[in-house]
Amino acid sequence: ETGVTQTPRHLVMGMTNKKSLKCEQHLGHNAMYWYKQSAKKPLELMFVYNFKEQTENNSVPSRFSPECPNSSHLFLHLHTLQPEDSALYLCASSQERTGTLEAFFGQGTRLTVV
Amino acid sequence: GENVEQHPSTLSVQEGDSAVIKCTYSDSASNYFPWYKQELGKGPQLIIDIRSNVGEKKDQRIAVTLNKTAKHFSLHITETQPEDSAVYFCAASRSNYQLIWGAGTKLIIKP
Repeated sequence: ETGVTQTPRHLVMGMTNKKSLKCEQHLGHNAMYWYKQSAKKPLELMFVYNFKEQTENNSVPSRFSPECPNSSHLFLHLHTLQPEDSALYLCASSQERTGTLEAFFGQGTRLTVV
Repeated sequence: GENVEQHPSTLSVQEGDSAVIKCTYSDSASNYFPWYKQELGKGPQLIIDIRSNVGEKKDQRIAVTLNKTAKHFSLHITETQPEDSAVYFCAASRSNYQLIWGAGTKLIIKP
């Protein structure tokens, strides 16, 4: 248990569906991240939130929409996805500006788009 | 853009032998180099890291070495055990910048 919880663990959705991924951290961290993990590829950073404000959006398609209502919760809203969006989506948190960059990851949501 | 290359993509070693995974980075300003281990069904977890002001760091059976001139760093695992089987990721970053990740190495420990 890393202190970062993601739900659901698995999700199958059609290309016309709308769904949301949820992430919650109990570590008191001030930064949260969404990553996409595809087989045999580096982790792809999608979004970064520092103190609830989005600080990075790495050219992610608009069919992915993040939301950070407070420093403990992070959502990723999904709509009209494509089959190539099937991947493991990882949430992470860290405590910025303390000299350490350690990221604590959740277990991920395995997303399959059909 | 900046990138981190990691080799090999798959490594199979006999239990008890040593394993070495290597990474090279392109951003000469990088000063922080962590290694993460990802077990099946879990997210990556930090196992060791090194900063650019040291050349080597050790923690029990794992060690990391850094060669700033050549811009490469390596993870060494000695006396491998079955529980070392996992995917290992290297990463690099400079101060206040995001981590740039390698593609991962699947380590298989053969009994």
